[in-house]
Amino acid sequence: GPKVLQIPSHQIIDMGQMVTLNCDPVSNHLYFYWYKQILGQQMEFLVNFYNGKVMEKSKLFKDQFSVERPDGSYFTLKIQPTALEDSAVYFCASSLGAGQAPLFGEGTRLSVL
Amino acid sequence: AQKVTQTQTSISVMEKTTVTMDCVYETQDSSYFLFWYKQTASGEIVFLIRQDSYKKENATVGHYSLNFQKPKSSIGLIITATQIEDSAVYFCAMREGEVGDNSKLIWGLGTSLVVNP
Repeated sequence: GPKVLQIPSHQIIDMGQMVTLNCDPVSNHLYFYWYKQILGQQMEFLVNFYNGKVMEKSKLFKDQFSVERPDGSYFTLKIQPTALEDSAVYFCASSLGAGQAPLFGEGTRLSVL
Repeated sequence: AQKVTQTQTSISVMEKTTVTMDCVYETQDSSYFLFWYKQTASGEIVFLIRQDSYKKENATVGHYSLNFQKPKSSIGLIITATQIEDSAVYFCAMREGEVGDNSKLIWGLGTSLVVNP
């Protein structure tokens, strides 16, 4: 079936550096999401994105975070600069319509040292 | 306030039995959508089944079914004939608003299910 792909699966960086997490959503999907999960715990919503713009973001979506999907390519989450508390697994999800259950990627484990 | 609560931290069952996982939710909206996902040991998150608040019939997909008790704000997941590969963490999630709205999923803390041979 259709899959959401996330690249890389694991990223290790030093605190203060910039990181970009890449998501290749299902090709005909229109809605995109980022979620954060710390150590197998609760999934926390970060942001959703539709028609080229952010629709809603949570308080976890700090000023250092940004998302974009230039020219229908990867949907990216950029963190600049990174902090220790940004260490987590970041999941990308996409859905065709707003009412549909999002399909999730396998996550990118971000380790900030 | 929006909230999803899963009180069972972990459940252990024998293979081929039926298991029920509990989930209660809080919402001010009259329209909402409830989802169950599972997260496998590899971290993969898989959508299982959904229930729309306006539907009275309990949803069923394969060996998954829901026990939707709207007056109690409860949406239990029932897995019949459990298999070893059903071992995973099961998350209940809620989305508020109408079908055309684009709003976030609110997640419970998850229930770890172990199916023993």
